[in-house]
Amino acid sequence: AQSVTQLGSHVSVSEGALVLLRCNYSSSVPPYLFWYVQYPNQGLQLLLKYTTGATLVKGINGFEAEFKKSETSFHLTKPSAHMSDAAEYFCAVRLYNQGGKLIFGQGTELSVKP
Amino acid sequence: DSGVTQTPKHLITATGQRVTLRCSPRSGDLSVYWYQQSLDQGLQFLIQYYNGEERAKGNILERFSAQQFPDLHSELNLSSLELGDSALYFCASSPGQGVYNEQFFGPGTRLTVL
Repeated sequence: AQSVTQLGSHVSVSEGALVLLRCNYSSSVPPYLFWYVQYPNQGLQLLLKYTTGATLVKGINGFEAEFKKSETSFHLTKPSAHMSDAAEYFCAVRLYNQGGKLIFGQGTELSVKP
Repeated sequence: DSGVTQTPKHLITATGQRVTLRCSPRSGDLSVYWYQQSLDQGLQFLIQYYNGEERAKGNILERFSAQQFPDLHSELNLSSLELGDSALYFCASSPGQGVYNEQFFGPGTRLTVL
């Protein structure tokens, strides 16, 4: 069965430090990969997505992620954390043979310390 | 603001009751998706509709049902409610049904079953 694993349910970084949120997937077919962010009491907002083509994808708010097929990973990074980045982040996979549904990881809560 | 609206924002009810959650997709979007977010299960796909027809089904309980109306709004009906049904229910919409379509999420309906 297809699944998404996010390592670390909670990550804490200092303002200005590198942000690294880990995501690994398992899939028997080529996946489409997504990162969403959820701010408190809000819905999910798409940060970035990988469908085909360039494996390094850039998203909003300075985030980027790299699809590494050999490692079945799609880790999210940002060079310098800002206080406003504090939120919950979800990695998700979508499979071409399963229509539109998104399969989400368990989420990683990012805290940013001043 | 994603353009997806959900009502009500909060719903408190008792076990055994039935509730209806409503979703209005973004203007022009034909696909509607329902997701459940709970502490123990995380974010799970429930069901997808495209232009009034059911397209995909996830881990949706038999006590739950949904439909999409000719004006494209959707309703999720939850009956014989149990304590474990307490969760945040998200609706998302996309222009089409294919994997390339970005899903835009509404703010969610928080259901509390007492």
